[in-house]
Amino acid sequence: EDQVTQSPEALRLQEGESSSLNCSYTVSGLRGLFWYRQDPGKGPEFLFTLYSAGEEKEKERLKATLTKKESFLHITAPKPEDSATYLCAVQAGSGYALNFGKGTSLLVTP
Amino acid sequence: GAGVSQSPSNKVTEKGKDVELRCDPISGHTALYWYRQSLGQGLEFLIYFQGNSAPDKSGLPSDRFSAERTGGSVSTLTIQRTQQEDSAVYLCASSLRGQNIQYFGAGTRLSVL
Repeated sequence: EDQVTQSPEALRLQEGESSSLNCSYTVSGLRGLFWYRQDPGKGPEFLFTLYSAGEEKEKERLKATLTKKESFLHITAPKPEDSATYLCAVQAGSGYALNFGKGTSLLVTP
Repeated sequence: GAGVSQSPSNKVTEKGKDVELRCDPISGHTALYWYRQSLGQGLEFLIYFQGNSAPDKSGLPSDRFSAERTGGSVSTLTIQRTQQEDSAVYLCASSLRGQNIQYFGAGTRLSVL
């Protein structure tokens, strides 16, 4: 059975304090790994898709990387507006559904 | 253009009543998905539509749950004889055919009393 595990469950950072969020996965036939951001009361907002080990993508202070077992979302010099829940999901096999982890709740304090 | 639109944004119902949740996908998106997000749980897949057909209904938790899509656009998720464990946020997403990025609406928060 496909599994997606995110860690830590919650993370509190000072503004400017860089860190990484982890997403480990066990799937058969990975077709894509997705990172989303979710603010309270809103739906998930797409950030990145990664397709193969070694791939990296960047957007502003965020950088996503992928290995054969896990993905990292690196946050460089975070700001309070980066506070949100970050969700990792995988798409595998012949299906179209996304299999989500439970998310990491990030709080960045001034 | 407009994003995925869901209505109502909040729904409070009594146990045993039926509810209908609506999703309006992004114009031109042929694929549509329903997910459920319960407190403390991750998003759970419910059903996938390609056009008006539902090739994957594997996530529907019981036969009280059904969904349809008409005109390749609007979709309705119906929950019959609601139970307290049905309380959750129901999210809809859509994507272009052949593209796997799913864009989500804001969800419908369902509370069953």
